[in-house]
Amino acid sequence: GAGVSQSPSNKVTEKGKDVELRCDPISGHTALYWYRQSLGQGLEFLIYFQGNSAPDKSGLPSDRFSAERTGGSVSTLTIQRTQQEDSAVYLCASSKDRGLYNEQFFGPGTRLTVL
Amino acid sequence: AQSVTQLGSHVSVSEGALVLLRCNYSSSVPPYLFWYVQYPNQGLQLLLKYTSAATLVKGINGFEAEFKKSETSFHLTKPSAHMSDAAEYFCAVSLHGSSNTGKLIFGQGTTLQVKP
Repeated sequence: GAGVSQSPSNKVTEKGKDVELRCDPISGHTALYWYRQSLGQGLEFLIYFQGNSAPDKSGLPSDRFSAERTGGSVSTLTIQRTQQEDSAVYLCASSKDRGLYNEQFFGPGTRLTVL
Repeated sequence: AQSVTQLGSHVSVSEGALVLLRCNYSSSVPPYLFWYVQYPNQGLQLLLKYTSAATLVKGINGFEAEFKKSETSFHLTKPSAHMSDAAEYFCAVSLHGSSNTGKLIFGQGTTLQVKP
């Protein structure tokens, strides 16, 4: 079956522009997570969705970052006024439930480069 | 707060040799523990997970890990390395409890090099 997909796979943008990153989770997975992978910080949790609600946004690094999920499916991570330190690979994962011990399935990521 | 430490950012072994990747966690309660592998330009793939059912956990591709509470460790091993095992490996934890979201806290990763 289809796994987690993310688009675009690569995004190059200029400092100050807004970007949107998309995640399509595995059908039927209620839990969705966004992580960021960068050289300096490693793999960091950003936000967790259960259905369309985001009960844990504790990892979002600033108010320039926001995310939404619609129909309990697709999620979009938006970064406003991008900065060079936002350059990273953004990974999305989904799980059948909260993923406490259920496997989180990861997408291939979106590589964001801010010039 | 929980944290994960992976000792050694780079590990190099010869093909056929034992693979040992170290992971120690810090948590006030025993967490759930995971090992993920990331091949170049790909997402993370679960190798194995510890969920308190058994302390020795077997995963895919011949990997296994042993949970040692007294040492707060969850080291990953494989008896004989293959060239295809070259990748980056991440240890991760998540906490129990109805208020926990299942988010993963990752170690810094260990790059495994396999020499012919």
